[in-house]
Amino acid sequence: GIQVEQSPPDLILQEGANSTLRCNFSDSVNNLQWFHQNPWGQLINLFYIPSGTKQNGRLSATTVATERYSLLYISSSQTTDSGVYFCAVEEYSSASKIIFGSGTRLSIRP
Amino acid sequence: DAGVTQSPTHLIKTRGQQVTLRCSPKSGHDTVSWYQQALGQGPQFIFQYYEEEERQRGNFPDRFSGHQFPNYSSELNVNALLLGDSALYLCASSRGQGSEKLFFGSGTQLSVL
Repeated sequence: GIQVEQSPPDLILQEGANSTLRCNFSDSVNNLQWFHQNPWGQLINLFYIPSGTKQNGRLSATTVATERYSLLYISSSQTTDSGVYFCAVEEYSSASKIIFGSGTRLSIRP
Repeated sequence: DAGVTQSPTHLIKTRGQQVTLRCSPKSGHDTVSWYQQALGQGPQFIFQYYEEEERQRGNFPDRFSGHQFPNYSSELNVNALLLGDSALYLCASSRGQGSEKLFFGSGTQLSVL
């Protein structure tokens, strides 16, 4: 099956810093989504981005499907950005089956 | 507009017992998927229900089964519980069976003793 790898696994930053999270996937996908899981376990959908670039406030994401990777950019980090960021892909060969990466744990220090 | 709701929030069972978890999708959504998230890992796909049928299944044994009702709500049943079934169980809803944005509930934390 498809492999989804995220890097880095852990990231510690000071408030106000910028960061880039990466998601690599091993095969063609129908779509890709980025999620933020807060310390209480709630998963929030940040982006639905099968290709191209999207922006939402301080966050933006870019997916290059032909090269099988996606990037999530966080600018001017705030302590509320802390948590785990997951990318999730829908396998091209198994529609509706969503595979998650292992996540990037982001800690923003005040 | 209510989001995805799951019940109960926490549950404690013993090995060998059976458990039923419930999920109501976001308004306007007709597809429900279930995920298991072990501590420190990403969610693992269990199965998806659409039009009251299981449409896609991950690598989980038959002890895991589900159901979708005409109002699109869903249940996840796990029989013969094992210690390794302890995890956060997440429900996600979306529109249609195809590629759509997923919205997650807050999850049910299951502990098997």
